[in-house]
Amino acid sequence: AQSVAQPEDQVNVAEGNPLTVKCTYSVSGNPYLFWYVQYPNRGLQFLLKYITGDNLVKGSYGFEAEFNKSQTSFHLKKPSALVSDSALYFCAVRDDAGNMLTFGGGTRLMVKP
Amino acid sequence: NAGVTQTPKFQVLKTGQSMTLQCAQDMNHEYMSWYRQDPGMGLRLIHYSVGAGITDQGEVPNGYNVSRSTTEDFPLRLLSAAPSQTSVYFCAISDTKGDQPQHFGDGTRLSIL
Repeated sequence: AQSVAQPEDQVNVAEGNPLTVKCTYSVSGNPYLFWYVQYPNRGLQFLLKYITGDNLVKGSYGFEAEFNKSQTSFHLKKPSALVSDSALYFCAVRDDAGNMLTFGGGTRLMVKP
Repeated sequence: NAGVTQTPKFQVLKTGQSMTLQCAQDMNHEYMSWYRQDPGMGLRLIHYSVGAGITDQGEVPNGYNVSRSTTEDFPLRLLSAAPSQTSVYFCAISDTKGDQPQHFGDGTRLSIL
């Protein structure tokens, strides 16, 4: 069975500093990996995805994610955090057979001025 | 262009009551799905539909029913509400079968007493 782990319930960073939100996964076959962001009282918004190709994927709002096959990780990064980046972030995975998406438990990002 | 509209936004039910959560989209996407979000567990797929007249079960379908008579609407029915169904429910759409959810509604917060 496929699974996703987001080991940090919360990440705190200062505005202007780089941020990393961690995600590791387990899946049979080739992984399709996704990041979503959720603001209070809203649905999830798609940020970026990795299917194949370059290990560094660029997405919305200046976010990027690095796929590392040997470490089965797909960490979300941003070079300079903004207070407005404070939100709940979800990593998700599915296999290349088109099976259902599995979400991680979420990581709350707090960016302080 | 509203995207995905969910109604109601909030609802309190008593154990044993039934109700229908509504989901409507105006983007003409074929693929619609229902998720529930519980703290620390990410989102879990309840039911999904790949087009009008076609529905299938997700990861946690028990206690829920769906139908898809039109492309636009995908209602979720709770047959006999239980406290374990207290959750936030999200409807999501995508324009490609098997692709990741691209747009989410803002959710329905449901409490079962």
